Amino acid sequence: KQEVTQIPAALSVPEGENLVLNCSFTDSAIYNLQWFRQDPGKGLTSLLLIQSSQREQTSGRLNASLDKSSGRSTLYIAASQPGDSATYLCAVRRNDYKLSFGAGTTVTVRA
Amino acid sequence: NAGVTQTPKFRVLKTGQSMTLLCAQDMNHEYMYWYRQDPGMGLRLIHYSVGEGTTAKGEVPDGYNVSRLKKQNFLLGLESAAPSQTSVYFCASSYFWRESVPRETQYFGPGTRLLVL
Repeated sequence: KQEVTQIPAALSVPEGENLVLNCSFTDSAIYNLQWFRQDPGKGLTSLLLIQSSQREQTSGRLNASLDKSSGRSTLYIAASQPGDSATYLCAVRRNDYKLSFGAGTTVTVRA
Repeated sequence: NAGVTQTPKFRVLKTGQSMTLLCAQDMNHEYMYWYRQDPGMGLRLIHYSVGEGTTAKGEVPDGYNVSRLKKQNFLLGLESAAPSQTSVYFCASSYFWRESVPRETQYFGPGTRLLVL
């Protein structure tokens, strides 16, 4: 069974600092890995999706890396802003249509 | 284009009562999913559907039933609610999964908060 772990569970940083969020998974036989953002009381929004053959994906201030062999992914958010405050979830997909989610990292960016 | 919508947004039930959660999507997606989210845990798949008239069990199906009579709707039923079913329920939908669509993603609704007393 695929286990997905996100550490730390919560993170508080001053505005402008770079954010580093970690995700680890136990089964390296994944099809892709996805990072989602969840705002309080809202659904999930996809941020980045990395195929198993890729090493990283970038979108604006966001960069996600994937090391499938070691079962790790890292989400970097450059120059954090208060609007980045949210919970960030990673999810891995096996060779089917099911996602296994981590519990998330709740980020607070202090102005 | 509303995306994925869920009804109701919040509900309080007494133990033993029944209810149905409604999910609707207007993106013509083949696949639909029901998840629950509990504090300190990731989203867990309850049931899913790969097309109209078909459903299948996910990771935590006990105590729930589902139906997909129309492609755009996916219903989640609780026949006899228990306090352990207090949770936030999310519905999601996606296109038919195939390797030729590498950027396929699931689109999520805003969630339904359910409290069972």
